[in-house]
Formats: sequence, C-alpha cells, structure tokens
Amino acid sequence: SYVLSQPPSVSVAPGRTASISCGGSDIGSQSVQWYQQKPGQAPVMVIYYDKDRPSGIPERFSGSNSGNTATLTISRVEAGDEADYYCQVWDGNIDHYVFGSGTKVTVL
Amino acid sequence: QVQLVESGGDLVQPGGSLRLSCAASGFTFSDTYMNWIRQAPGRGLEWISYISPSGNTIYYADSVKGRFTISRDNADKSLYLSMNTLRADDTAVYYCASLAYSGFESWGQGTLVAVSS
Repeated sequence: SYVLSQPPSVSVAPGRTASISCGGSDIGSQSVQWYQQKPGQAPVMVIYYDKDRPSGIPERFSGSNSGNTATLTISRVEAGDEADYYCQVWDGNIDHYVFGSGTKVTVL
Repeated sequence: QVQLVESGGDLVQPGGSLRLSCAASGFTFSDTYMNWIRQAPGRGLEWISYISPSGNTIYYADSVKGRFTISRDNADKSLYLSMNTLRADDTAVYYCASLAYSGFESWGQGTLVAVSS
C-alpha cells in the first residue's frame, strides 16, 4: 500500500516560516490534502488539491507538490498554529485513502 | 452551517459489537460521499471506510474489512458504522467526515470507542 512519510516534529520561532514535508513515490502525480489538528479537536482541512485553501483558512498557509515530495508551508507563524499536521492522498490502486503519520509543529 | 454529530461510542468488551451514528445537517447529505476515520489514543489518523451517496460503492481499510459495515439513510441524513468482533486495537475516537476536493472537508467532533475487559 501507498506510504506517506512525514517528519515527526518541526520547531519554528514566531514570525518565521515552517515547512512540513510529505514524501511518497511520485506523489507529484497525486492530489494532496493537508489537515491541522489541535489537541482535543477534530482535524480541519487547510489545503486541498495540493495548494488550494478552503474558505476561512489564512493565506499564510500554502502548499506545493512535485516529484516525490509535497510541502505545507506556514508563513509568519503564530502561536495558534501549534498543532499536528497530516497529509493525505487517495490510493486508487487499492481504493483507500491514506494519511501521513503526522508532524507536530511547535512554536518556540 | 455544516454539522456532523457522532454518537454511539462506549466501553465494550473484546469480541463485542457496537453501532455508531452520525447525524448530518447544513448540506445536501444525499449528494455527499461520506467516510469514517479513526484515531487511536496518541496516534495518527486512520481512514477506515467510504460510502457513495447512493450507498452502491463502499470501501474499507484492511484493518476493519469483514468486521465493520458502513451504511447510510439519506432520508434521515444519517451515516452508520456497525462494528463487530471488536479488538483492543479498535480503541479510538471515531470521526465521520464528508468528502470533497479529494479529501475530508467537514468532520464531526468524534465519539470514543474503548475496547477492554
């Protein structure tokens, strides 16, 4: 089955930029979604179709996808961005949705 | 506004059964693909099942195939997950989520299933 690899953790100072990678074989040919999950809350979609933002998501959140790596970038990081972030794709070979293992973003 | 409300989570013994429900409102449920996703304590997200608007197309993760059954009632705007032969590793918060943009656009608040003797 398809595997998505994420770093367990990323630390970033307020006001700086955080980049979270999501690795997968030829992931650039797939549509990648990203979710933010704060403690005790349900996940929230922050990026769909690699780089599009749902209504209400700040422009500080952006996405890219090429080759074997998709990336979620959070610009001008705020304390409220501290959360777990998950990438997700559809594996059409086995008709399954797949999540990455998640990345905990810590704001220093 | 879109609202998904799960219910039915409980403490159940290994080998037992449980049925989860998800009540939908604020969108056209009968046109929407729906899913169940779970999260074990301290762990990541795991997609477990998908159902098409008509209910004709259903997918399961290998970890639940043959034990769990997804269903829906469009008239009642409800999604269900029947779980049999529950195991300790089924312990998790179970979320229902609507599908859009190749991903999960809206989520419920989750319901906790604990499998333990």
